[in-house]
Amino acid sequence: NAGVTQTPKFRILKIGQSMTLQCTQDMNHNYMYWYRQDPGMGLKLIYYSVGAGITDKGEVPNGYNVSRSTTEDFPLRLELAAPSQTSVYFCASSYRQAKNIQYFGAGTRLSVL
Amino acid sequence: DQQVKQNSPSLSVQEGRISILNCDYTNSMFDYFLWYKKYPAEGPTFLISISSIKDKNEDGRFTVFLNKSAKHLSLHIVPSQPGDSAVYFCAASAGNNNDMRFGAGTRLTVKP
Repeated sequence: NAGVTQTPKFRILKIGQSMTLQCTQDMNHNYMYWYRQDPGMGLKLIYYSVGAGITDKGEVPNGYNVSRSTTEDFPLRLELAAPSQTSVYFCASSYRQAKNIQYFGAGTRLSVL
Repeated sequence: DQQVKQNSPSLSVQEGRISILNCDYTNSMFDYFLWYKKYPAEGPTFLISISSIKDKNEDGRFTVFLNKSAKHLSLHIVPSQPGDSAVYFCAASAGNNNDMRFGAGTRLTVKP
């Protein structure tokens, strides 16, 4: 029972490089989310999706893009990596009827140097 | 602005005793509150929640108390066990808003 799977687990990027963080869930959840967690801070919502083809901005969307072509997948794209994007990124999913009870992946630790 | 605050970065308790984790919020529109637990190298997992129409919710050893007038909630763990050692995040949401806000977390250590 995989739940929410994130890849890669770790990544080091150079300033200006781009990359995609992958997220897939096998629970048939409508809602999916991307968060970032900086040291000593709570999780902050970057983007979320309420279903395939529908995405919306969260609290801290600048510098990121998302797409949702299928129910299962919700990739997060960094186009021009900056040191301020060094963080741990968590993907989560939930049922529409209980959207606050979210199931999280194990996270991707990203360093931009 | 930090709308959900956990002012204690860490807490240490003896096995078998009560652990009390606290959380304050500033947004009066919040109407649903949750606690998540996180072990190292894992994502957060849902622990317990409470709606603003209640002031207490209990699930086994875990009880959440909500004081709306003080904009304060707390998580009680009784009795505490070494396996409860983790980071605990308080979270809050408002109505149909999809932007759930998290506190910075409290690291609980339960000593045998």
